[in-house]
Amino acid sequence: AQSVSQHNHHVILSEAASLELGCNYSYGGTVNLFWYVQYPGQHLQLLLKYFSGDPLVKGIKGFEAEFIKSKFSFNLRKPSVQWSDTAEYFCAVRSSNTGKLIFGQGTTLQVKP
Amino acid sequence: NAGVTQTPKFQVLKTGQSMTLQCAQDMNHNSMYWYRQDPGMGLRLIYYSASEGTTDKGEVPNGYNVSRLNKREFSLRLESAAPSQTSVYFCASSPLTGTGNNEKLFFGSGTQLSVL
Repeated sequence: AQSVSQHNHHVILSEAASLELGCNYSYGGTVNLFWYVQYPGQHLQLLLKYFSGDPLVKGIKGFEAEFIKSKFSFNLRKPSVQWSDTAEYFCAVRSSNTGKLIFGQGTTLQVKP
Repeated sequence: NAGVTQTPKFQVLKTGQSMTLQCAQDMNHNSMYWYRQDPGMGLRLIYYSASEGTTDKGEVPNGYNVSRLNKREFSLRLESAAPSQTSVYFCASSPLTGTGNNEKLFFGSGTQLSVL
């Protein structure tokens, strides 16, 4: 069965610290991978996505993610976080065959000024 | 361009009552989804429809039914509401191009449902 796991539920960082949020998935077929962000009181916004090609993808606001197929992982990174990055982050995996798109439980990031 | 229109925005039901959440998109998207969002549990997929005429169960389908009336509309029905179905419900659509171009979820504004 298709599943997504985000290891960190709550992360607290100081401004300028580096960020890495883990995401692992379970699925035997071809997948498309996404990271979404939800700022307080707002809807989900797409940060970045991977469909094919270069496994290192760059998104908006300085975020990037690396798809490691052998590890079934798609970790999100940012070299230097800002207070404005405080939000909830969701990894999502879609089966490219069925279109089924499921999300991880989310990671709440709190950045202290 | 309205995007994804979801109604109602708020609803209070008594246990055992039924209701239908309506969703329509005007972007000619193939795929449509219903999610529920609960604190600490992220978005959980209830049902999805990869294309007109097809529907499939997601992670938490029990207690719900769906109908893909046409390419635009995808409704979610609660036949006999239970307190455990108190949640925020989101409808979403995506092009499902397979190539990644313009590929992302477009969300409705959400329905806050309380079942007493």
